[in-house]
Amino acid sequence: ETGVTQSPTHLIKTRGQQVTLRCSSQSGHNTVSWYQQALGQGPQFIFQYYREEENGRGNFPPRFSGLQFPNYSSELNVNALELDDSALYLCASSEEGPRETQYFGPGTRLLVL
Amino acid sequence: DQQVKQNSPSLSVQEGRISILNCDYTNSMFDYFLWYKKYPAEGPTFLISISSIKDKNEDGRFTVFLNKSAKHLSLHIVPSQPGDSAVYFCAASDYNFNKFYFGSGTKLNVKP
Repeated sequence: ETGVTQSPTHLIKTRGQQVTLRCSSQSGHNTVSWYQQALGQGPQFIFQYYREEENGRGNFPPRFSGLQFPNYSSELNVNALELDDSALYLCASSEEGPRETQYFGPGTRLLVL
Repeated sequence: DQQVKQNSPSLSVQEGRISILNCDYTNSMFDYFLWYKKYPAEGPTFLISISSIKDKNEDGRFTVFLNKSAKHLSLHIVPSQPGDSAVYFCAASDYNFNKFYFGSGTKLNVKP
């Protein structure tokens, strides 16, 4: 039990729509990273937030955006959904700043039709 | 740009024997290498890590070896147990830990 929860567990959207995925970390975990995992692939780093500011970003377009809140929750927003956005989205948190050890949530599976 | 690669999609090992999972990387600027284990319907869980200034790190049944000249690392599990059956991901980061690169994973099956 990592203490990291994600909602919803599954989601179906249509192309062009917008989606918001949510993550709740353990108290004190002030760093959160988001990943996209396509079927048969490893997690691809989207971005990281530390103390509510973006702290690092992978090769994802600006339509992927995020927010981190003082209560250790965070959001991943994706605009103008494309079919290739269908994937498992994982959030991972770490305590006391960015660290090698991250605690992952179970993920949200998004299907874009 | 696939900077971390796991070229073996699957591995099958008999219980009690050694499991060796391999990982290659291309970026010599990586400072830390990590292994995660993932069971179905769960998020990955951290297993073990190694700094680029070391060539070996051991934690119980798990040992990670790093060969910087070959840009290669491996995870050894001895002895392997059926509960070790999972997908194993190799990952890398620099010392800022603000960006992580994961391999595509190796599915380990430990047969009783």
